Amino acid sequence: AQTVTQSQPEMSVQEAETVTLSCTYDTSESDYYLFWYKQPPSRQMILVIRQEAYKQQNATENRFSVNFQKAAKSFSLKISDSQLGDAAMYFCAYTTNYGGSQGNLIFGKGTKLSVKP
Amino acid sequence: EAGVTQFPSHSVIEKGQTVTLRCDPISGHDNLYWYRRVMGKEIKFLLHFVKESKQDESGMPNNRFLAERTGGTYSTLKVQPAELEDSGVYFCASSQEVRVSHEQYFGPGTRLTVT
Repeated sequence: AQTVTQSQPEMSVQEAETVTLSCTYDTSESDYYLFWYKQPPSRQMILVIRQEAYKQQNATENRFSVNFQKAAKSFSLKISDSQLGDAAMYFCAYTTNYGGSQGNLIFGKGTKLSVKP
Repeated sequence: EAGVTQFPSHSVIEKGQTVTLRCDPISGHDNLYWYRRVMGKEIKFLLHFVKESKQDESGMPNNRFLAERTGGTYSTLKVQPAELEDSGVYFCASSQEVRVSHEQYFGPGTRLTVT
């Protein structure tokens, strides 16, 4: 069974600094998708960034980028120039077309990120 | 465009009672998903609708949970009778296409507390 592990329950970063959130996953599939979702306090979860496993190039969205290491099954999120609005719970998620799933997401436990002014 | 909405935002019920959660997806989104997060654990998939049909309900915990999506619009998730372990946050998400790469838009969740 596929699993997603986020080993950092909480992280803290100084405003304007860079922080990296870790995520590892386990799968026997070769074709899958990885996501980072962000849930600000008392707000809806939103997609931050996605990565297709068949793409070697790491995805980037403005200040957010990933380090996708397929062989190591690692998918870390780097937030550059951290802002107060980045404070949130971050979830790493996985999905695949195989095994009968149709977009069903498998989540990690989440990492709570605090940003200090 | 309105996002995914869920009602109620909070619900506190006693063990043995019935509760019905509602999710209104984004208009035009055929795919609707239910997830649940129990305190301290991962968000877990419950089931997936494509229009009014259940595509996958492999994540439903047991037969005390009943999900419906009449007419392919909003969905309800009924828990009857509720047990203490049903407490958690229930999320609904919708997407326009079934392609797994397609973004799922999440609702704010319903926090269910069973006492």
